[in-house]
Amino acid sequence: EIVLTQSPGTLSLSPGERATLSCRASQSVSRSYLAWYQQRPGQAPRLLIYGASSRFTGIPDRFSGSGSGTDFTLTISRLEPEDFAVYYCQQFGSSPWTFGQGTKVEIK
Amino acid sequence: QLQLQESGSGLVKPSQTLSLTCAVSGGSVSSDDYSWSWIRQPPGKGLEWIGYIYHSGSTYYNPSLKSRVTISVDRSKNQLSLKLNSVTAADTAVYYCARWSYDNGMDVWGQGTTVTVSS
Repeated sequence: EIVLTQSPGTLSLSPGERATLSCRASQSVSRSYLAWYQQRPGQAPRLLIYGASSRFTGIPDRFSGSGSGTDFTLTISRLEPEDFAVYYCQQFGSSPWTFGQGTKVEIK
Repeated sequence: QLQLQESGSGLVKPSQTLSLTCAVSGGSVSSDDYSWSWIRQPPGKGLEWIGYIYHSGSTYYNPSLKSRVTISVDRSKNQLSLKLNSVTAADTAVYYCARWSYDNGMDVWGQGTTVTVSS
């Protein structure tokens, strides 16, 4: 099983600041099968990034993804109030599919 | 626009079977382009993949749940279902269905339904 470890666990930032979230895999993950999701309180997750770096339909360009192999990054260039949420990375190239434990981006 | 809506038993007794359905609207569960997945989230915790059913009908389950879980599709009702037997308190969670493809990942999610396992 591929374990995804996200860091930091919590990121305390102010609106307008840049957020950098890390997702490290216990073994290599194909870029094609790495996704990022956002979950706001009381809501279902929603897809932000697929294929490690492709923004899903309707996702603002302040969100970007990068990385390969075992190290992946989600960057939010300038935090908007609605971006304060929990973010999960996920791999679906190897069964069982796995999620990271999440990074909470909170208002400082 | 595709929408997914989970429903089912909100309270299940220990050792019994959890049964949920996911109604698909604005699209077809029979589409060759997509498959369907179930994911759950225990209270205050992260996401756990339960399994998925490929558009061919093949199913793939998380090994941690494989002996207890069944995912199926009812094409006549345009819905998918989840059954999890021999439940314990550890199965208490919000359960989500989602559309999935290798191209995009899980791009459409239902709003989730809460299941509590308690006597």
